[in-house]
Amino acid sequence: GAGVSQSPSNKVTEKGKDVELRCDPISGHTALYWYRQRLGQGLEFLIYFQGNSAPDKSGLPSDRFSAERTGESVSTLTIQRTQQEDSAVYLCASSLVGSAKPGELFFGEGSRLTVL
Amino acid sequence: AQRVTQPEKLLSVFKGAPVELKCNYSYSGSPELFWYVQYSRQRLQLLLRHISRESIKGFTADLNKGETSFHLKKPFAQEEDSAMYYCALSNTGKLIFGQGTTLQVKP
Repeated sequence: GAGVSQSPSNKVTEKGKDVELRCDPISGHTALYWYRQRLGQGLEFLIYFQGNSAPDKSGLPSDRFSAERTGESVSTLTIQRTQQEDSAVYLCASSLVGSAKPGELFFGEGSRLTVL
Repeated sequence: AQRVTQPEKLLSVFKGAPVELKCNYSYSGSPELFWYVQYSRQRLQLLLRHISRESIKGFTADLNKGETSFHLKKPFAQEEDSAMYYCALSNTGKLIFGQGTTLQVKP
């Protein structure tokens, strides 16, 4: 597909379980971002990958959160030992550094995580 | 610390009325600022960038460094403008978003 793809679109899990969320960016996009959106709140930056540079992990809320990206393709966000406060929509976005519109992020539809 | 503040969670206006969505930022340096929009059942998407000084769908936004603001304006709101609007600031490549403002345009 032409857009950013995220899976699963919905995930319900029990407290304490691990979850893995996947993001397929637009082909050729060198930058990839993860954001969290809790109910009624704004977008909270989590992590930013740019090419082969070390990722900016400054937004990860705890060591239960981690993310990986293979080259300039798929990324996975892993949440270990989920807590109820992890319930949110997790949004992935990608962008092409050096494009005619710097700062234009293309977002996926998000993965809605519910921790019971 | 870099921060984007959108003081209004909800802004409700009648069709044809002027609209101003407020955005204030804190940033040490020359900021790059953006407005993103999310229409119902659609993905979040870029509306406009301060650097291009463009008008998109009748919306404009002027960067005021003295007041550290980047308010989004439209002289005559349309029902199709109803959406969630996010102000964002670019910091070394990553975008920091505000809390968002829901714009509701009533007929």
